[in-house]
Amino acid sequence: DQQVKQNSPSLSVQEGRISILNCDYTNSMFDYFLWYKKYPAEGPTFLISISSIKDKNEDGRFTVFLNKSAKHLSLHIVPSQPGDSAVYFCAITQGGSEKLVFGKGTKLTVNP
Amino acid sequence: DAGITQSPRHKVTETGTPVTLRCHQTENHRYMYWYRQDPGHGLRLIHYSYGVKDTDKGEVSDGYSVSRSKTEDFLLTLESATSSQTSVYFCAISDFGGREVNEQFFGPGTRLTVL
Repeated sequence: DQQVKQNSPSLSVQEGRISILNCDYTNSMFDYFLWYKKYPAEGPTFLISISSIKDKNEDGRFTVFLNKSAKHLSLHIVPSQPGDSAVYFCAITQGGSEKLVFGKGTKLTVNP
Repeated sequence: DAGITQSPRHKVTETGTPVTLRCHQTENHRYMYWYRQDPGHGLRLIHYSYGVKDTDKGEVSDGYSVSRSKTEDFLLTLESATSSQTSVYFCAISDFGGREVNEQFFGPGTRLTVL
């Protein structure tokens, strides 16, 4: 059974608009949430994270929102740029755990 | 960028042959991980290590073994490769060590094709 779900395999947006990528998880014991970005033929790179004591974390154009009651997190990219085109993975973990559980990823395409 | 290299970067092999993939780090991080990435499955943990000679299984460990004889090297072995093990393999490292977030740093990947 999937512990973390990214229900949209792909997303296409226009340059300059907002991209919203979503992630749902099943177990409320998870309390740290991360987003990774992956370009073709490269390894994933860490983008941004949030802990369960917060509901928002911002880093430049990237903002992650956490809704604990809904067990839902989202990554907002504003404004979207063509260089943001990549696969985005959400990952979840529990404090003190050495392991991450990854979603299946969402492929974002930002059109010029 | 974290100092992680993987070798080989590409390999084609035949069913039934043994294959060893190597991950090398220069960061002296305690934790090392092997993942596979497949379409429709995302990143799945195969095995991980929490120190020299200390390893544990992940989600998809069947058919794989690992060894870590030095801090900097983590080897993934397919004893008898099967076509279902055709995948892209990523190594990751982490210095976790009680930090708030277990941020993992990934290598460039190895594309393995089993014919």
